[in-house]
This record gives sequence, C-alpha cells and structure tokens, in this order.
Amino acid sequence: GAGVSQSPSNKVTEKGKDVELRCDPISGHTALYWYRQSLGQGLEFLIYFQGNSAPDKSGLPSDRFSAERTGGSVSTLTIQRTQQEDSAVYLCASSLGRKAEAFFGQGTRLTVV
Amino acid sequence: AQSVTQLDSQVPVFEEAPVELRCNYSSSVSVYLFWYVQYPNQGLQLLLKYLSGSTLVESINGFEAEFNKSQTSFHLRKPSVHISDTAEYFCAVSEGTGANNLFFGTGTRLTVIP
Repeated sequence: GAGVSQSPSNKVTEKGKDVELRCDPISGHTALYWYRQSLGQGLEFLIYFQGNSAPDKSGLPSDRFSAERTGGSVSTLTIQRTQQEDSAVYLCASSLGRKAEAFFGQGTRLTVV
Repeated sequence: AQSVTQLDSQVPVFEEAPVELRCNYSSSVSVYLFWYVQYPNQGLQLLLKYLSGSTLVESINGFEAEFNKSQTSFHLRKPSVHISDTAEYFCAVSEGTGANNLFFGTGTRLTVIP
C-alpha cells in the first residue's frame, strides 16, 4: 500500500478482554515500531522489529503485552486482559532502516471500559 | 540508556514571532536526529532530519534545526511562525551504531496566538 495501515482505527473493549491491533507497514520496510500515545503524554516506545525478530522489547509495559511480525511484513500487537490504563492511541511506524524516515500510521484508538 | 528530553511541554507564541523548541539527547555514540510534527487530528509526519554533513538542516515550511554535538542538542527554530504551525512537535533520535530503535521525546505543543 501507499502508507502504513493500521486496523481497526477505533476499538472499544471491556476490561479483561483481549485485543489485537494490526499494522501493515509500507512494502519493503524492514524496520517496524509500535508506540503508545496516552492522553497528555508523549510517545512511549513499545517494541521494535527488524524483519521478523524483535531485538528490543524493552518498552512493553507488562507481560500482558506481546507482539509478533510474520513474513517481514504484517505485525500484530496483542494486549491480554485489558485494563483501563491501556486506553491510548497505539501507533505503528515503519522505515527502511534506522537512518531512514519512519512513516507512521493513523493509529488505533483503544478505549477500555 | 538512550533518552530524549524536550524541556518545554507547551510553548505559546504570537503570530509572526520567532520560536525555539528545545531538544537534548543522551548518547555516547553517533546519532541520527529527527523532528516530527503532529497537526491537530492528523498523524505524525517527518519535519526534518539530520543524518550527517551540514549541522544545519531545514524544512520546506521555514523550520530549521541545528545539530550541536558538544551540547547534545537539536533545537528547532523558526524566525516567524504562522497560525498553521500550531501542532505538537516531537524530537526523536536513533543511534548510529548498536541499537536501532527510534526514541522520541515527550513532545512540545506549540500554540500560535493570532
């Protein structure tokens, strides 16, 4: 596609449910990033993929959060047993590498009620 | 550990006045530096970047940033702001060697007052 695509754009879920957020990066981009933007907060790094491997998972806030990437393309961020504090906009970005511009998707707005 | 500090969370400025948004980073290795902008109700987009070469980089809409290695800074400036510059600005850094992830500062909300 022309840009980074994220789905769904909005997700409302009940506390305790699991959610999956999807990111389709720009074709050919080997690097993929997940960030979280909470209300009134900056961008919080979650995880970085180079190809299918994640050399840096240091930003995942708890073991309820996990992510995978398959075929060097699509990535899924999974949040298990969601809590209200998980409510945020989850942003995905991809780039050709660390020197290159990171292109961002429009994000998934997650609301846990 | 890598970190990016944006000292000002909010910067109000009158239209046509100059502005500087500050960004400092901590890294013991060479870095690549970026400024991203997020206009209201829009996604993040790249404003300008420093990879190598001239330490002064410019954007197409009049912003510029200067890489200062000794002060580990990459401040963003514009000599005369417009209403349309109202947005949130994020400084980001990627290390030149070792870790490849892109770290962002907490952002500076620039509000241009008519």
